[in-house]
Amino acid sequence: DGGITQSPKYLFRKEGQNVTLSCEQNLNHDAMYWYRQDPGQGLRLIYYSQIVNDFQKGDIAEGYSVSREKKESFPLTVTSAQKNPTAFYLCASSIGAPTGELFFGEGSRLTVL
Amino acid sequence: ILNVEQSPQSLHVQEGDSTNFTCSFPSSNFYALHWYRWETAKSPEALFVMTLNGDEKKKGRISATLNTKEGYSYLYIKGSQPEDSATYLCALPPFYNQGGKLIFGQGTELSVKP
Repeated sequence: DGGITQSPKYLFRKEGQNVTLSCEQNLNHDAMYWYRQDPGQGLRLIYYSQIVNDFQKGDIAEGYSVSREKKESFPLTVTSAQKNPTAFYLCASSIGAPTGELFFGEGSRLTVL
Repeated sequence: ILNVEQSPQSLHVQEGDSTNFTCSFPSSNFYALHWYRWETAKSPEALFVMTLNGDEKKKGRISATLNTKEGYSYLYIKGSQPEDSATYLCALPPFYNQGGKLIFGQGTELSVKP
């Protein structure tokens, strides 16, 4: 089945540790995105990539890093510099046009202990 | 930064009620407007992508209208059912075209009681 696969679904991290969230798509989409959701807030864009080996910061990129070495994959690393990393993280992909709908994964919930 | 406002924040209705919510956005430099439905424990899914002023789109009991001149879109649900319970998200690409990225509103959380 075509779609977006995120892993892990749940992740616990100790303070000071980096963690990496995986996102894979088999939709042949050029563009991929990482959003963060906090209670009472809308989805906020962390990073996005329009093409392999290129990515841009979104509105809340501080404390996060990404890579786009393959078209199918867009992993997100939550670094120890991220002050408040406990949140729900959603990965998405699209054809990369303003009218292209986003296809989302099921999300990863990160909790910092 | 593009400001996308949704109202109300939450809505509780009885089965069979019809309901509507609003998405407001700046009317200048409009490219497109997206509506998504996000059910609990599932991924958000696109309902509509609208581009033209006066656009009306329909999918079953759900429909949407768009007014780009005044900067709003309405989402209507006719005869709400419990399975319509979800968060409805509105999103737009920012003023400048940047590879399909979207700015989301806070969402309207709909709860339909049997």
